Amino acid sequence: GESVGLHLPTLSVQEGDNSIINCAYSNSASDYFIWYKQESGKGPQFIIDIRSNMDKRQGQRVTVLLNKTVKHLSLQIAATQPGDSAVYFCAETQFGGQGGKLIFGQGTELSVKP
Amino acid sequence: NAGVTQTPKFQVLKTGQSMTLQCAQDMNHEYMSWYRQDPGMGLRLIHYSVGAGITDQGEVPNGYNVSRSTTEDFPLRLLLAAPSQTSVYFCASSRGTGDSPLHFGNGTRLTVT
Repeated sequence: GESVGLHLPTLSVQEGDNSIINCAYSNSASDYFIWYKQESGKGPQFIIDIRSNMDKRQGQRVTVLLNKTVKHLSLQIAATQPGDSAVYFCAETQFGGQGGKLIFGQGTELSVKP
Repeated sequence: NAGVTQTPKFQVLKTGQSMTLQCAQDMNHEYMSWYRQDPGMGLRLIHYSVGAGITDQGEVPNGYNVSRSTTEDFPLRLLLAAPSQTSVYFCASSRGTGDSPLHFGNGTRLTVT
């Protein structure tokens, strides 16, 4: 069935290194993708989004790349900091303009070692 | 702005009891939704609303009711609580356009014994 999934359930990086979190999606009709960060005991927090008419979008220390050919999404975090430790989710919309009806992946836990 | 506010933060119910999880947003968002988060399963959509007076089912609606009488509030009702409903529940809102991200509350952790 249609799904959004992550290749790696856990990722451990050294402080200061760059982190890359990957996500695969299966529905070519999806037109909007979002990355969320979730810290323990809190709700998911919006990080960055990208529309299907773009390949790359940059924020502060974060970059999202979208490869529609292979249905792949990635989140790059530059100079990873201990405060980046959290679970990261990718999500997609599969119903055109209903931006709030998202399908989430299972999440990747990022652990930053000082 | 407070954003999305959920109450209570924690709740313990006995099987068969009922309760309402409250959700309010102050961003004048049209779209609101409820998700549940279980270990290893990510977030799954329970119900959603595209505006006051309009609600629809998501992926896992059974055992839950919602209503949307105002733009600000979107309560989730558990009619007859079951242990399978033990989960963390998140309410979220957005402008509802095709490229507007969801904003989440901090969740309600529910345990049904």
